[in-house]
Amino acid sequence: NAGVMQNPRHLVRRRGQEARLRCSPMKGHSHVYWYRQLPEEGLKFMVYLQKENIIDESGMPKERFSAEFPKEGPSILRIQQVVRGDSAAYFCASSPGLAWVRSTDTQYFGPGTRLTVL
Amino acid sequence: QKEVEQNSGPLSVPEGAIASLNCTYSDRGSQSFFWYRQYSGKSPELIMFIYSNGDKEDGRFTAQLNKASQYVSLLIRDSQPSDSATYLCAVSNNAGNMLTFGGGTRLMVKP
Repeated sequence: NAGVMQNPRHLVRRRGQEARLRCSPMKGHSHVYWYRQLPEEGLKFMVYLQKENIIDESGMPKERFSAEFPKEGPSILRIQQVVRGDSAAYFCASSPGLAWVRSTDTQYFGPGTRLTVL
Repeated sequence: QKEVEQNSGPLSVPEGAIASLNCTYSDRGSQSFFWYRQYSGKSPELIMFIYSNGDKEDGRFTAQLNKASQYVSLLIRDSQPSDSATYLCAVSNNAGNMLTFGGGTRLMVKP
């Protein structure tokens, strides 16, 4: 299966702990995007990364949230000192790369990580 | 003001009918438009993308784009109960690096 992979699929944390969510893009894709879906709400963009670079983090909360996509290994979304309001489904998507108004900007989603903060 | 708007539904259609899902967007410079299907508790699954004005057909699905009216729609012919899901309209920003999603329309196809 060459799809987008995310792990863990379910993550339970207590308030104040750290959450680390991982995403491996589809084979051949070099662009990774993170989205958050709060219960009964729509998908919201958080951050867009390429290898070793954050391209757009306009949707990321200013505090406690960070993301990286190292040269080797998966992309990581890190949430420090989690609070109950962080409970949500976090989806990663990948695309081959940007070629304006072409199919290469189409994003394919992973299965998501469902974070529950107790 | 929401940037991408969809009627939340539920939209209920009988099996075999045509389901029509609509979406409007506010950014006139948007270039790429996508329809995703999301079953409850699952991740969004790409159905179609469209870039040019007019219709684009793929099997039972037809996407329609009218940039002048800032309107994009999805038609599902011969609706099946398995089509029951939430359909998400997404619009790519000018830089092509972010999808803005509508709130989704919940479709129910009744046998």
